[in-house]
Amino acid sequence: DVKVTQSSRYLVKRTGEKVFLECVQDMDHENMFWYRQDPGLGLRLIYFSYDVKMKEKGDIPEGYSVSREKKERFSLILESASTNQTSMYLCASRDSESGANVLTFGAGSRLTVL
Amino acid sequence: GENVEQHPSTLSVQEGDSAVIKCTYSDSASNYFPWYKQELGKRPQLIIDIRSNVGEKKDQRIAVTLNKTAKHFSLHITETQPEDSAVYFCAASIIKAAGNKLTFGGGTRVLVKP
Repeated sequence: DVKVTQSSRYLVKRTGEKVFLECVQDMDHENMFWYRQDPGLGLRLIYFSYDVKMKEKGDIPEGYSVSREKKERFSLILESASTNQTSMYLCASRDSESGANVLTFGAGSRLTVL
Repeated sequence: GENVEQHPSTLSVQEGDSAVIKCTYSDSASNYFPWYKQELGKRPQLIIDIRSNVGEKKDQRIAVTLNKTAKHFSLHITETQPEDSAVYFCAASIIKAAGNKLTFGGGTRVLVKP
């Protein structure tokens, strides 16, 4: 089974703080994604990465950046956290070579910005 | 970009009845339509998907139908059981060699009453 692990399940930060959300997958998947989940808005794509050192903006990239220095790790960075970034953040990975399009999600990181 | 609308946002059904969730998409080039189920406190998981070259797909009690002309697709759950209670997300994407990103609908919270 593919495992996608998000290191922090719950975080509480203050406005203006820099926040790092880490995601690690153990199945050598090329593609990795960061979504945020808000009630009624579904899952909205923040950034995704096709491979190491590659990144592309999703639908709501403002206020976020990402880093993919190693294939297994995809980090989401909030340079200066704001209260409207309070949300559930979900990381996902996908094996692009198999032809399957299944996203495997992590358990999520619930971020509260005070 | 792609826009996916999902209805209803909440759905309450009696155990044993059927449940139907409908989604519309905006990009006529989209050709892959998965459905994810998220049980309370858990991560989303793929339950069924359909590609644009078929109009219907079934897997036991769940089925998905696709109408490309109208740009809508639906999830049908028959003989609902309490374990079907969850949030369901539809999504759409364009499969291409470089990978693809999924655009999700807003989600439907399904409650199956015993």
